[in-house]
Amino acid sequence: GAGVSQSPRYKVAKRGQDVALRCDPISGHVSLFWYQQALGQGPEFLTYFQNEAQLDKSGLPSDRFFAERPEGSVSTLKIQRTQQEDSAVYLCASSFDGGRNTIYFGEGSWLTVV
Amino acid sequence: GESVGLHLPTLSVQEGDNSIINCAYSNSASDYFIWYKQESGKGPQFIIDIRSNMDKRQGQRVTVLLNKTVKHLSLQIAATQPGDSAVYFCADVTGGFKTIFGAGTRLFVKA
Repeated sequence: GAGVSQSPRYKVAKRGQDVALRCDPISGHVSLFWYQQALGQGPEFLTYFQNEAQLDKSGLPSDRFFAERPEGSVSTLKIQRTQQEDSAVYLCASSFDGGRNTIYFGEGSWLTVV
Repeated sequence: GESVGLHLPTLSVQEGDNSIINCAYSNSASDYFIWYKQESGKGPQFIIDIRSNMDKRQGQRVTVLLNKTVKHLSLQIAATQPGDSAVYFCADVTGGFKTIFGAGTRLFVKA
C-alpha cells in the first residue's frame, strides 16, 4: 500500500487477555518503529527494527511487551496479560533508513483494556 | 533525563493570523529536530525538519527557527487556516534513529 497500515484499528481487550497488533510498513522501508501514545500525551518510543534486527527495545514497558519483525517487513507487537494501564494508541512508523529520513506513521491501533 | 517539552498546552488563533508554537529541548547533543502535526484519530504527520547547523528553515507557509544557545525551537505558521487545527509536536532524533516527542500543543483556529 501507499502508507503504513496497522490492524486492528480498534481493540477492546479484557484484563489478562493477550493481544497482537500488526504493522505493514511502506514497501522497501528498512526501519520500523513502534510508539505508545497515551491520551493527551506525545508518542513514547517503544522499539526499533532495522530490517529483521531489533536494535533497540529500551522503551518496552515490561516483559509483557514483545515485538518481532521476522522477515524484515511486517511487524507484530504483542502484549501479554494486558492491564488497564496498557490502554493507549500504539503507533507504527517506518522510514527508508533510520530516523534521519522522514518517518511515516500509521493511524495507530487503539487499545482499550477493560 | 532527555526530554523535549512545550511551553503552552493550547494555542488559539484567529483564521488568517500567524501562529507561533514554541518548544524547549534539554539534550544539548541533539542535532536534528522535527515538527509533526497530528489530527484527531490519525498518526503524526511530518511538517518540517531542521538540523543543528541551521537556525532557520522555511517550507510552505511554515518556518522553523532553532536557537541552540537557549535550546529552543519554534514553528511559525503563516496565515493560519482552519485545516491547521491539530496537535503539534516537536521532536528530536538521537542516536540516528530514536525520535523523542514532546507533550504537544493543541492549536485551535477560530473562524
